[in-house]
Amino acid sequence: QVQLQESGPGLVKPSGTLSLTCAVSGGSISTTNWWSWVRQPPGKGLEWIGEIYHSGNTNYNPSLKSRVTISVDISKNQFSLNLSSVTAADTALYFCARGVPTLAAAGNFDSWGQGTLVTVSS
Amino acid sequence: IQMTQSPSALSASVGDRVTITCRASLSVSKWLAWYQQKPGKAPKVLIYDASTLESGVPSRFSGSGSETEFTLTISSLQPEDFATYYCQQYNTYTYSFGQGTKLEIK
Repeated sequence: QVQLQESGPGLVKPSGTLSLTCAVSGGSISTTNWWSWVRQPPGKGLEWIGEIYHSGNTNYNPSLKSRVTISVDISKNQFSLNLSSVTAADTALYFCARGVPTLAAAGNFDSWGQGTLVTVSS
Repeated sequence: IQMTQSPSALSASVGDRVTITCRASLSVSKWLAWYQQKPGKAPKVLIYDASTLESGVPSRFSGSGSETEFTLTISSLQPEDFATYYCQQYNTYTYSFGQGTKLEIK
């Protein structure tokens, strides 16, 4: 059974870059799945950030696209999120998730990491 | 695509039948999932492709609908069902979620 685990700094300064990694265990990242990042500000709903395929192909939420980069490291079986120019509005619980491919897209998330809280503050 | 859930909050008792509605601003065909989330935890998929029950999810959960209108029904509420529920479309990326429905104990 695949497991996902987020890691990274819990505190980032305003205007800095948020960097997180999601380690995938119990299965290969080089499957037909897409791998996503989803975030949840405290007390609020879920927002999809973007996804990556093991080939390196990516899709991003247009609302964040100018600040987001998602990359994959097949040798380490992990993928990463970089979010630049952060503000307090980027404070959230960040999840990584596995997307199940369908005839349409790959946004049915069947496995999730436990989430990691990132606070943007000086 | 904007997803709108109703109600935003719901009070119910153990044993009640509960229905949550999700409306999409454009057709998403059958590409809709329902998730349950408890405080501080990751969401857990309950239903995908609008009506397919995820493996291991109790049969009291069911989903229906297509195009722009969907429902999640819990046939007989159990204590562990009190949580927040989200719908999510994956017809096309940008994947989008509803704002959530918080199910509370009456």
